[in-house]
Amino acid sequence: GESVGLHLPTLSVQEGDNSIINCAYSNSASDYFIWYKQESGKGPQFIIDIRSNMDKRQGQRVTVLLNKTVKHLSLQIAATQPGDSAVYFCAEMSRAGNMLTFGGGTRLMVKP
Amino acid sequence: KAGVTQTPRYLIKTRGQQVTLSCSPISGHRSVSWYQQTPGQGLQFLFEYFSETQRNKGNFPGRFSGRQFSNSRSEMNVSTLELGDSALYLCASSLPSSDTQYFGPGTRLTVL
Repeated sequence: GESVGLHLPTLSVQEGDNSIINCAYSNSASDYFIWYKQESGKGPQFIIDIRSNMDKRQGQRVTVLLNKTVKHLSLQIAATQPGDSAVYFCAEMSRAGNMLTFGGGTRLMVKP
Repeated sequence: KAGVTQTPRYLIKTRGQQVTLSCSPISGHRSVSWYQQTPGQGLQFLFEYFSETQRNKGNFPGRFSGRQFSNSRSEMNVSTLELGDSALYLCASSLPSSDTQYFGPGTRLTVL
């Protein structure tokens, strides 16, 4: 089946620095992408999403970039805070079905 | 507005038993999706329901089933439990006009 970044790397950043979390996807038919944050013992929490007709979308302290040419998605977090420490998942959805395919996740650790 | 709720939050069963998990979507959300999360396989799509009908199904054996009621609440059932069914089972809901899925806290199932 299709895969989205199936690995779980760890990114360690200093509080106040910017963080960039990357994700590769393989289904060129995907037209909707979403980032989730999951803290220990909780369900995934929606952060930001983007459609394939866009290449950038900004939220509060977060920006998602989409490069369809190389099938790459990234999440940028500005001024990273200790509360940002969590596992971050990217997910994709294609018109073939109303279901999300998730990547393996990236653990973000913020050092005070 | 209340978020997605799942009951029970924790469950311990033995092999061979069956289990039923419940999910109440966000008010107004009519689509409910179920996902299984394990350390080894990550987040995997189980099935999706909309207006009491299963619209999509993931690659899981027939022991995994679900249903949706007229009030959009959903249940999933796992029969003849196996040790490998131990996982966090997540439910997500979305509006009819949106692809954005919002997750509940999950039900942690342990099979002994």
